[in-house]
Amino acid sequence: GDSVTQTEGQVALSEEDFLTIHCNYSASGYPALFWYVQYPGEGPQFLFRASRDKEKGSSRGFEATYNKETTSFHLQKASVQESDSAVYYCALSNTGANTGKLTFGHGTILRVHP
Amino acid sequence: EAAVTQSPRSKVAVTGGKVTLSCHQTNNHDYMYWYRQDTGHGLRLIHYSYVADSTEKGDIPDGYKASRPSQENFSLILELASLSQTAVYFCASSDLGQDTQYFGPGTRLLVL
Repeated sequence: GDSVTQTEGQVALSEEDFLTIHCNYSASGYPALFWYVQYPGEGPQFLFRASRDKEKGSSRGFEATYNKETTSFHLQKASVQESDSAVYYCALSNTGANTGKLTFGHGTILRVHP
Repeated sequence: EAAVTQSPRSKVAVTGGKVTLSCHQTNNHDYMYWYRQDTGHGLRLIHYSYVADSTEKGDIPDGYKASRPSQENFSLILELASLSQTAVYFCASSDLGQDTQYFGPGTRLLVL
């Protein structure tokens, strides 16, 4: 079945550091890829998506590029802020199945220290 | 603004008891979903629904039932709550033909 693997556990950075959270996927067909962000006490929020090879998704200074060859969609941000501290989820939607279902990774906790 | 709301926001239940979690959306979306969130497992799909009066099993449906009495409302039912069902539960909705899901704030369930 479909699966998403992302950076395990926690990433600890200082403000203005460069962020990379790795995401790799396994899916039949040509999935759409997503990043969601979850702040404490809230539900996950859609950050952005990409649906074809080489497409870049971006929002709020975060970006990721769909790479079909390496089956990856790594999240990056050039300069993180303390307010970016949250849990980040990579997810995929197998558009061929046409169910709207998302398969999520286990989430990566980002802690940014002032 | 379109929204997904959940009630209750938190609940303490006893093992063997019945628990009903409710979800209401004003997005006018056709699809609704129930997920549970556990540390180390991320978000896992329990049940989902395409249309009122119909539900489908997700990846971890055992021990849960779902009910979709209208387009706006989707409930998750634990007939016999167990300790292992302690978790945070999220409801989400998405539009027909769209794969972006919009989540509610979650319900924290503690089964004692």
